[in-house]
Amino acid sequence: DTAVSQTPKYLVTQMGNDKSIKCEQNLGHDTMYWYKQDSKKFLKIMFSYNNKELIINETVPNRFSPKSPDKAHLNLHINSLELGDSAVYFCASSQAHEQYFGPGTRLTVT
Amino acid sequence: EDQVTQSPEALRLQEGESSSLNCSYTVSGLRGLFWYRQDPGKGPEFLFTLYSAGEEKEKERLKATLTKKESFLHITAPKPEDSATYLCAVYRSGGSNYKLTFGKGTLLTVNP
Repeated sequence: DTAVSQTPKYLVTQMGNDKSIKCEQNLGHDTMYWYKQDSKKFLKIMFSYNNKELIINETVPNRFSPKSPDKAHLNLHINSLELGDSAVYFCASSQAHEQYFGPGTRLTVT
Repeated sequence: EDQVTQSPEALRLQEGESSSLNCSYTVSGLRGLFWYRQDPGKGPEFLFTLYSAGEEKEKERLKATLTKKESFLHITAPKPEDSATYLCAVYRSGGSNYKLTFGKGTLLTVNP
């Protein structure tokens, strides 16, 4: 039983391309998140949705656009990819304060 | 701005050698402090939540404690399978109800 799942696990693409990462949770949680973990392993929040409503939008370039079709799904679309976007992107969900993370998507921009 | 500092950055132990990891924080109105474990190539795995100074939580060889300025993760008689990066995160009142601020983690290696 996978609680928080992400696809794809690995994504290699060229600069300038547009790509999407999908996330699904089967925990029945109301809140979902996207985090970016850089090469130094620092985990930083990007976005959060609560019941399909955007509630956290950190200082992220507007090339990044989250979309929540329903409270079990939160997708991340990235336009015009840049080298600096290379990182591991984690989806998470929560009902209370404890957040549960997916396995991550390693994005490599060449 | 909330700050979370973890030390040491890396810790190498022999199997059975107990030690502690530190997480110090500067947060206005702490509501909760979290410990996570992250294995290579995987997402962080939730371990503990601590809500108030003096609180302690235990799980197998791990015990987390909280004071007004820091938290410790004590590892008693560690085994090689305890090797991982341990992340600390804080959650505060007055800001977004859903935002965690993470430290940079401590990479623990336990040698057999």
